[in-house]
Amino acid sequence: EAEVAQSPRYKITEKSQAVAFWCDPISGHATLYWYRQILGQGPELLVQFQDESVVDDSQLPKDRFSAERLKGVDSTLKIQPAELGDSAMYLCASSFQINTEAFFGQGTRLTVV
Amino acid sequence: AQKVTQAQTEISVVEKEDVTLDCVYETRDTTYYLFWYKQPPSGELVFLIRRNSFDEQNEISGRYSWNFQKSTSSFNFTITASQVVDSAVYFCAFNAGGTSYGKLTFGQGTILTVHP
Repeated sequence: EAEVAQSPRYKITEKSQAVAFWCDPISGHATLYWYRQILGQGPELLVQFQDESVVDDSQLPKDRFSAERLKGVDSTLKIQPAELGDSAMYLCASSFQINTEAFFGQGTRLTVV
Repeated sequence: AQKVTQAQTEISVVEKEDVTLDCVYETRDTTYYLFWYKQPPSGELVFLIRRNSFDEQNEISGRYSWNFQKSTSSFNFTITASQVVDSAVYFCAFNAGGTSYGKLTFGQGTILTVHP
């Protein structure tokens, strides 16, 4: 069964270091989302891609976060420098088109120490 | 701005009990979609249902049922004869206008624990 792949599953990094997460959407899915889920809360959208273009990054803290999807397939989310408050689960989701359901990956759990 | 409220932080039931998870939303949009997702311990969000704002018909899928009431801005989820495998965090979510179904505003989630 096709799934959204994310790596790493877990990441521990020190404050002020750079960290990156990778997402490989389901094959053929044009729309890709990155969400952040703080423990005990619902996910919050960070950025949405349609193919290689950013559709919405209004909630992305651009001073330290960046996201790219260069070839319109897999995507990378980067944080530099990481802060203690960035500790969270980072979820990637993809959908075939913008008006179809999104499928989520298992996420990357980030701990900043 | 939209808001989704799941007032129940945690619910604990014994297997075979029925359980209802509440969801209330706020919006000024006339066209919108409501979703329920399940998040098991493995972390991924599993899609359960999508309902548009023009369809207030209740839906049943096996042991799951959903009650959408526009008059009270509620979209409640009932699990009949709960099972241990239903233990998970359940999220209600809102999508404005239906342009990007993956662009969701989530509630805080309800942790459901079903004891054997």
